[in-house]
Amino acid sequence: GAVVSQHPSRVICKSGTSVKIECRSLDFQATTMFWYRQFPKKSLMLMATSNEGSKATYEQGVEKDKFLINHASLTLSTLTVTSAHPEDSSFYICSAREGEESYGYTFGSGTRLTVV
Amino acid sequence: GIQVEQSPPDLILQEGANSTLRCNFSDSVNNLQWFHQNPWGQLINLFYIPSGTKQNGRLSATTVATERYSLLYISSSQTTDSGVYFCAVEEDTGNQFYFGTGTSLTVIP
Repeated sequence: GAVVSQHPSRVICKSGTSVKIECRSLDFQATTMFWYRQFPKKSLMLMATSNEGSKATYEQGVEKDKFLINHASLTLSTLTVTSAHPEDSSFYICSAREGEESYGYTFGSGTRLTVV
Repeated sequence: GIQVEQSPPDLILQEGANSTLRCNFSDSVNNLQWFHQNPWGQLINLFYIPSGTKQNGRLSATTVATERYSLLYISSSQTTDSGVYFCAVEEDTGNQFYFGTGTSLTVIP
């Protein structure tokens, strides 16, 4: 079945630095990938839709200059948290869909970001 | 955007008991999935079920799209079933995939 790989799984960074998270579809091409954020004991909040070869579509309230998304190829989307602050600490997870209809969405294993 | 509500928010079961989790959504959907999130955060896809009924072992799911709800049944629960269960839907009108509020299940021996 479809596999989505996310890296790194865990990262600790200092305030003010930037962190890049990668999301790869391993055995299929994905023109669209999604990025989510999850706070402890909360649901997953959709941040943005990553579109291959074009700009990402951000959900209301998500700062596009803070969370830069690049989808340069059909198998890779990246999320960069710029000038990170402690309140950016969270669990970030990406997803992609293999086919248009039949398989649903597959999720990466997530990245736990801690900003100190 | 579409609203996705799950109930109950929390559930504690004795091992061996059965349970039903519910997912209500506010608009027409062309995709609905149920997930189990394990303690490490990994989302395990349980069912892709935009309509109809499916079964997989002790788990089954039913989606009644016309009435905008889906049910996840867990029979003979085991301690390893503990975790958070999410439903997620994709609206007919767009390709965003939104998560429900989740049900936290604890199965005690």
